[in-house]
Amino acid sequence: QVQLQQSGPGLVKPSQTLSLTCAISGDSVSRTTAAWNWIRQSPSRGLEWLGRTYYRSKWYNDSVLSVKGRLTIDPDTSKNQFSLHLNSVTPEDTAVYYCAREVSYSSSSYVDVWGQGTLVTVSS
Amino acid sequence: QSAPTQSASVSGSPGQSITISCTGTSSDVGGYDYVSWYQQHPGKAPKLMIYDVSNRPSGISNRFSASKSGNTASLTISGLQAEDEADYYCSSYTSSGTWVFGAGTKLTVL
Repeated sequence: QVQLQQSGPGLVKPSQTLSLTCAISGDSVSRTTAAWNWIRQSPSRGLEWLGRTYYRSKWYNDSVLSVKGRLTIDPDTSKNQFSLHLNSVTPEDTAVYYCAREVSYSSSSYVDVWGQGTLVTVSS
Repeated sequence: QSAPTQSASVSGSPGQSITISCTGTSSDVGGYDYVSWYQQHPGKAPKLMIYDVSNRPSGISNRFSASKSGNTASLTISGLQAEDEADYYCSSYTSSGTWVFGAGTKLTVL
């Protein structure tokens, strides 16, 4: 059974970097039919997909346009985990952040397993 | 990328059936058979109920069914039960290679 365990601070100051980690059990961050996503949820923006990292002979990253340039998602194969780093945060980045697994086959693609969520508040 | 449109709320009595719709564009819902539905209870992470338009993951009740026509996907819950009361979100793959979520529909079981 795949489980994702999130860790990281719940309070970040404006202009600083928000960093969260997602530890994977029961699967591998290097699996070539999976991708590892970050999604956030806030009352004002609803569920918002942020980005993913995935391995297909080499590592790739995708991110949504609204955070492009501020977002980095790093895999760590030695610890079987992946991390989110969102820099220059503002109060608008306050949200519950989720890590999630996406599975992709030739004719199938979906996000199926989610972490427990981390409420991150951006405030001084 | 705009979010697919979902009605804000729907309600039904126990035993009844309800349908939630999710209307997107040809760049998301209408363009790919990668539409998923999630159930979310307060304070919990979303739970996958339907994937690839109409497939149920193992362990999901067959009271949950879904389909798609053009740019609109639909989720039907039959034999409503109190435990079905939750928020429901559709999600679709997009032409940008990203995922987009609907704004969510609050289901109330009367």
